[in-house]
Amino acid sequence: KAGVTQTPRYLIKTRGQQVTLSCSPISGHRSVSWYQQTPGQGLQFLFEYFSETQRNKGNFPGRFSGRQFSNSRSEMNVSTLELGDSALYLCASSPLGSGYEQYFGPGTRLTVT
Amino acid sequence: QKEVEQNSGPLSVPEGAIASLNCTYSDRGSQSFFWYRQYSGKSPELIMSIYSNGDKEDGRFTAQLNKASQYVSLLIRDSQPSDSATYLCAVNLYNTDKLIFGTGTRLQVFP
Repeated sequence: KAGVTQTPRYLIKTRGQQVTLSCSPISGHRSVSWYQQTPGQGLQFLFEYFSETQRNKGNFPGRFSGRQFSNSRSEMNVSTLELGDSALYLCASSPLGSGYEQYFGPGTRLTVT
Repeated sequence: QKEVEQNSGPLSVPEGAIASLNCTYSDRGSQSFFWYRQYSGKSPELIMSIYSNGDKEDGRFTAQLNKASQYVSLLIRDSQPSDSATYLCAVNLYNTDKLIFGTGTRLQVFP
């Protein structure tokens, strides 16, 4: 089976802009979770989508949002970018949900200047 | 107290030795435990999952779980330089339905 794919792999944005990241899960996986990874905070859970519905949410501001399409592909949007949003954004898919085995994509490296 | 704690390392072991990585967690009701390996510049890769007390072996890897003491460990036998990476412990804390990750232990295996 093909793994989780994410696009784009690298992004450079300016403070105040918005950004949309895309994720395609492993075929058959209906759960897609998004994580932020930074050197200081480690890997932190943003939210999970399952069958087009947000099922779990982490402790991030409302500037971070997402959605999932009927084919399980998911997008994450960050509005009004801040310097602190610079991070590796990882998408993970799972056959069962965000509390179970997560299979990660390669990530999108976002740099905010 | 952090929800999931790991020693950041680095843990340095010679090639061929056993590497022992430890993780403690705060919630006694936690049910699912995972170990991920992350090479520098790459994304985390699932290497082991464990749900019951005791040992679970997969090749050179053994995961050990002790729910009473609230720790989970990963043993890597016959360590190879290619095992050099950061190892992340992840726990599904009780009643949260999401994985909480430790900050990882960096392992260095030297020839």
